[in-house]
Amino acid sequence: KQEVTQIPAALSVPEGENLVLNCSFTDSAIYNLQWFRQDPGKGLTSLLLIQSSQREQTSGRLNASLDKSSGRSTLYIAASQPGDSATYLCAVKGGSEKLVFGKGTKLTVNP
Amino acid sequence: DTAVSQTPKYLVTQMGNDKSIKCEQNLGHDTMYWYKQDSKKFLKIMFSYNNKELIINETVPNRFSPKSPDKAHLNLHINSLELGDSAVYFCASSPFGGQNTDTQYFGPGTRLTVL
Repeated sequence: KQEVTQIPAALSVPEGENLVLNCSFTDSAIYNLQWFRQDPGKGLTSLLLIQSSQREQTSGRLNASLDKSSGRSTLYIAASQPGDSATYLCAVKGGSEKLVFGKGTKLTVNP
Repeated sequence: DTAVSQTPKYLVTQMGNDKSIKCEQNLGHDTMYWYKQDSKKFLKIMFSYNNKELIINETVPNRFSPKSPDKAHLNLHINSLELGDSAVYFCASSPFGGQNTDTQYFGPGTRLTVL
């Protein structure tokens, strides 16, 4: 049974800092890994999707890496801004076609 | 012009009642999903439909019955509501459901409170 763990559960940083969010999963037989952002009272927004054959994906100030063999992914956020404050969720898609989510990392970027 | 919409946004009801949540997507996607996010913010899939056919059915009490009248709609009906059903329910959709490049698009959620 796939399990996804995200560390840390919460993170508070000053504006402008570079930061890394971590995600680990127990079953390396995945199709893809996705990072989502959830704002309070709102749905999830997909940030990056990394296919199982890929090592990383970049979008603007965001860079996500995937090491499938070790069951790890990181989300790197450069030059953080207060608008980046949200909960970041990692999810993996396996053979059962389901997305299995971690519990998320709540990020606060202080002005 | 919302891609995935849900109604209602908030739902407060008494134990034992029956209620429905509606979901519609205008993205032309083939696959739709229902997720439950509990008080600990843990998001878990409940059901998935592809072209109106059920493809994922997690271990969900049979008080929960999804219905897909067409591929743009996936409604969730809940019978005999219990306190533990209180959660935020998210609807989502994706283009094909079976591709490793699929991403899922989420609705804004329905916060259900059972008193």
